[in-house]
Amino acid sequence: GNSVTQMEGPVTLSEEAFLTINCTYTATGYPSLFWYVQYPGEGLQLLLKATKADDKGSNKGFEATYRKETTSFHLEKGSVQVSDSAVYFCALHNYGGSQGNLIFGKGTKLSVKP
Amino acid sequence: SQTIHQWPATLVQPVGSPLSLECTVEGTSNPNLYWYRQAAGRGLQLLFYSVGIGQISSEVPQNLSASRPQDRQFILSSKKLLLSDSGFYLCAWSGWDRVAEAFFGQGTRLTVV
Repeated sequence: GNSVTQMEGPVTLSEEAFLTINCTYTATGYPSLFWYVQYPGEGLQLLLKATKADDKGSNKGFEATYRKETTSFHLEKGSVQVSDSAVYFCALHNYGGSQGNLIFGKGTKLSVKP
Repeated sequence: SQTIHQWPATLVQPVGSPLSLECTVEGTSNPNLYWYRQAAGRGLQLLFYSVGIGQISSEVPQNLSASRPQDRQFILSSKKLLLSDSGFYLCAWSGWDRVAEAFFGQGTRLTVV
């Protein structure tokens, strides 16, 4: 089946620190991979995505590369800001199995201190 | 442009009372629709998804149900709420293409007392 595993939080960093949030997946077929962000009290919104192996998604200084050989899609940012404090979800979207199969990781809470 | 509406934003209900949460999508046709629950300190749990009118797949057995009476309307219901039903409920839609992202509503904070 399809599944997503991401590192447990919370992650607490100082402003301008380097961020890595690990994400690995299990899937049949050829999934697309996503990172979503959830700010307090809100729904999720797309941060970035990659649709095939070796693609790099990027947005707002965040990057993630689709690594098929390691089944990973780790999220990175070189210098975090206080405004990046949120919960980050790794997800895959796959039509190799059930239709409409959108699977999320458990989420990683990031707190950035000034 | 596409939009998704979910209401109410917050709800406090007594144990044993019924529930109805509604979600509607505008600006797209035949979307995949999803209901997720996010319990405090936990990740997203897929409750139901629908690929078309009247087609509902349940991911987790529980006392909740979902219906899709119209193409762009998705309703989450319960006949009798339990304390354990408290949480943050999110509706989402996506297109059919596997590269399509999901779009989320603002969520409903349900507290069962």
